[in-house]
Parts: sequence; C-alpha cells; structure tokens
Amino acid sequence: AQKITQTQPGMFVQEKEAVTLDCTYDTSDPSYGLFWYKQPSSGEMIFLIYQGSYDQQNATEGRYSLNFQKARKSANLVISASQLGDSAMYFCAINFGNEKLTFGTGTRLTIIP
Amino acid sequence: NAGVMQNPRHLVRRRGQEARLRCSPMKGHSHVYWYRQLPEEGLKFMVYLQKENIIDESGMPKERFSAEFPKEGPSILRIQQVVRGDSAAYFCASSPGTVGRNTIYFGEGSWLTVV
Repeated sequence: AQKITQTQPGMFVQEKEAVTLDCTYDTSDPSYGLFWYKQPSSGEMIFLIYQGSYDQQNATEGRYSLNFQKARKSANLVISASQLGDSAMYFCAINFGNEKLTFGTGTRLTIIP
Repeated sequence: NAGVMQNPRHLVRRRGQEARLRCSPMKGHSHVYWYRQLPEEGLKFMVYLQKENIIDESGMPKERFSAEFPKEGPSILRIQQVVRGDSAAYFCASSPGTVGRNTIYFGEGSWLTVV
C-alpha cells in the first residue's frame, strides 16, 4: 500500500535555528512527486517546495530545501534560519503518478523567540 | 494573477440543510480538485474534475456529496442533508495540467460548521 508518514506531531525550535521536518513514504511506483505545504493558523495551504522522483538535485526555494533520499524513501524539509512567522502546520504530500495528492498527518512547528 | 478563489470562507448550516461551496481556479488552470480536512488531520482527496467532466471521484462519499465544474462558472461542491460529521475545511485546488512539476495551488478553504 502507498502511504506517507510524518512522525513528528509537534516541534519547538528556537528562533534563527535550522529545523528539519521528517517525511517518509512507501511506494513501488518509480515515478512520483513530493510536495511540502505550510498551513498557518489562518488556515490556507501555502505551497513551499516540490521534488520529482527523477530530479538529480535536491530542490531549494529560498530558506526551504528538501533533503531527498530516494533509497531511504525520505523527503525531509529543512528550514534554515527559522523565523517566528514559520510557526504553522507543515504537511508533506505525494503524488503517485495520478492526479491525487496523498497527505501526511502534519507536523505542528512552533518557533520560540 | 488571482489565486484559487473559494467562497464562502465560512458557512454554518443546520443538520439537514444543503451546503454549496464554490471554487474558481487560477487563470489558465483547467484542472480542479476538492479535498477535505477534518479537525487535526491532513487533507483527504475527494474529487478531480476538468471542465464538464468528473475524472476521479474515488474520495467522494457515495451519498449526499456531488461536484461539478461547468463549462462556464466556478466548480461547485454540494453537500445535501448535512450532518455534524460533515463539519470540516473544504479545500479546492487547481493546476494547469496533470499534477507534478506544474504543481497544484490551493485556495484558502471553506470552513463548514454543521450545528
């Protein structure tokens, strides 16, 4: 069965520190895409970063980078120099070659001043 | 370029009433998706539509729920005879093509409360 797992329900991180949010997945499909979304308390889903399974390099978008380890089936999100505004729920999602995104259960990140 | 527009943002319905949620995709996007988020959970896929066609409704409850994306106008998610368990956030998303590098953008969500 294809599934996606976020094992950290909550994290507390000091402001300006880097933070890694874990995401692992299970699939036998060689072609898939990985997404990370941020959901602040206001509720909207904000796209952060995308990684294709055949991409040679890890994706980066500003302070966000994706530590993609294909053999281990993990796609951890790294946020550098965390800010108070980074406090939110973070969801990992995967597209297994069809039109659906399958979401993890999320990690609630709290940045401490 | 406006993003995915959903309305209403918040909707309160009594048990047994109907709820209609609207979604206008981003300009140039012809693919629309609906997801549901129950409290403290991730989003769950409901339905995927293209103009005038339902492509995949495998996540839709068999009864009371329907979706459409007409040739003109927004996509509509309709919930008939709502029950308390329908209380959730309903997110619409759109993409210009198949999900992948084209990526998929979400609206701000519609929060349905059934009292």
